[in-house]
Amino acid sequence: DTGVSQNPRHKITKRGQNVTFRCDPISEHNRLYWYRQTLGQGPEFLTYFQNEAQLEKSRLLSDRFSAERPKGSFSTLEIQRTEQGDSAMYLCASSPHGTGELFFGEGSRLTVL
Amino acid sequence: AQSVSQHNHHVILSEAASLELGCNYSYGGTVNLFWYVQYPGQHLQLLLKYFSGDPLVKGIKGFEAEFIKSKFSFNLRKPSVQWSDTAEYFCAVNAERSGYALNFGKGTSLLVTP
Repeated sequence: DTGVSQNPRHKITKRGQNVTFRCDPISEHNRLYWYRQTLGQGPEFLTYFQNEAQLEKSRLLSDRFSAERPKGSFSTLEIQRTEQGDSAMYLCASSPHGTGELFFGEGSRLTVL
Repeated sequence: AQSVSQHNHHVILSEAASLELGCNYSYGGTVNLFWYVQYPGQHLQLLLKYFSGDPLVKGIKGFEAEFIKSKFSFNLRKPSVQWSDTAEYFCAVNAERSGYALNFGKGTSLLVTP
């Protein structure tokens, strides 16, 4: 399968723990996005990378959230000191161009107890 | 505030009924418009897109959407729905003035009954 891959698919953690999600985009795509989706809502933009450069961050992205894309390939999203409000589906998407047409992964579901 | 609004949150239709889902946006300037679909248990996938040109665009599975610039709208239509169209539908906008993000509406949950 050459689509966007996300790991882990599910993560259950206790409040205060740190979690990290990984995204492997489609190999020829240089643009990578992270979104968050909660029940009954559309995906909310978190951050955007073009190659290894993080070019945009949403105001939703608190200081506890950090994302990297060290070599312009895979990306990680880390949440430190998780809170119950962080429970959501975290979606990764990639794109070969800047028109906004995105290819999504299946998401990583986070449950914070 | 800039936003994408989807008017119907839940829609229930019988098979063969016609579908129209509303989408309005409040971004000015040049926009790229999209409808994404999420079938139960699957990831988001592109249904159709509008960049420029003919404002009536056709997508997969018989769906189409019409861009009306004066109304800031991009409504999704299908003449005759099938049970397999049961899914969550999201309108999304990429606006030149709003950076790199693709901004989504809250979605419309469509249930098609046999």
